[in-house]
Amino acid sequence: AQSVTQPDIHITVSEGASLELRCNYSYGATPYLFWYVQSPGQGLQLLLKYFSGDTLVQGIKGFEAEFKRSQSSFNLRKPSVHWSDAAEYFCAVVAAGYSTLTFGKGTMLLVSP
Amino acid sequence: EAGVTQSPTHLIKTRGQQATLRCSPISGHTSVYWYQQALGLGLQFLLWYDEGEERNRGNFPPRFSGRQFPNYSSELNVNALELEDSALYLCASSLNSPEAFFGQGTRLTVV
Repeated sequence: AQSVTQPDIHITVSEGASLELRCNYSYGATPYLFWYVQSPGQGLQLLLKYFSGDTLVQGIKGFEAEFKRSQSSFNLRKPSVHWSDAAEYFCAVVAAGYSTLTFGKGTMLLVSP
Repeated sequence: EAGVTQSPTHLIKTRGQQATLRCSPISGHTSVYWYQQALGLGLQFLLWYDEGEERNRGNFPPRFSGRQFPNYSSELNVNALELEDSALYLCASSLNSPEAFFGQGTRLTVV
């Protein structure tokens, strides 16, 4: 069964600084990869996805992620963080041939002034 | 275009009661997924419905059940509520794609 690891439970970044959130997955083949964001008490909003092709994908709100097959990673990045980016971020995978998402435990992003 | 809508937003039930949660998918989407987000347990897959049929089920007891209606909306029923069923229940929908769109969730509190 596939699994997703987000090694950082909390990350604090200064406003205007760059951000990288880590995500590693465990699966035999390349799964479909996603990043979602969740504000407190809210649902999940899709930031970006990777299905195939270019390993650097652009998403909404200025986020991007890079798929690295050799490292089984799909790290999320943003060059300059805004206070409104404070939220919880979830990496998720769907194994080829399946349709249900497997989520990581999430990384809570705190933005300091 | 309306997104995935869930009702009610909040639900408070007593232990042993039954809860019914509702989900309307994005127009045209035929698949509906239910996830539970409990404190400390992360997001766990509950149920997947597609074209009116249950396609997959997560590791939850049988008192968690549901159905999908001909208009593709869905209900999640939780019988014999336990305190640990308190969670945010999220519904998502998709159409022939692993990309799923989520609703705002129903916050279930069992007292």
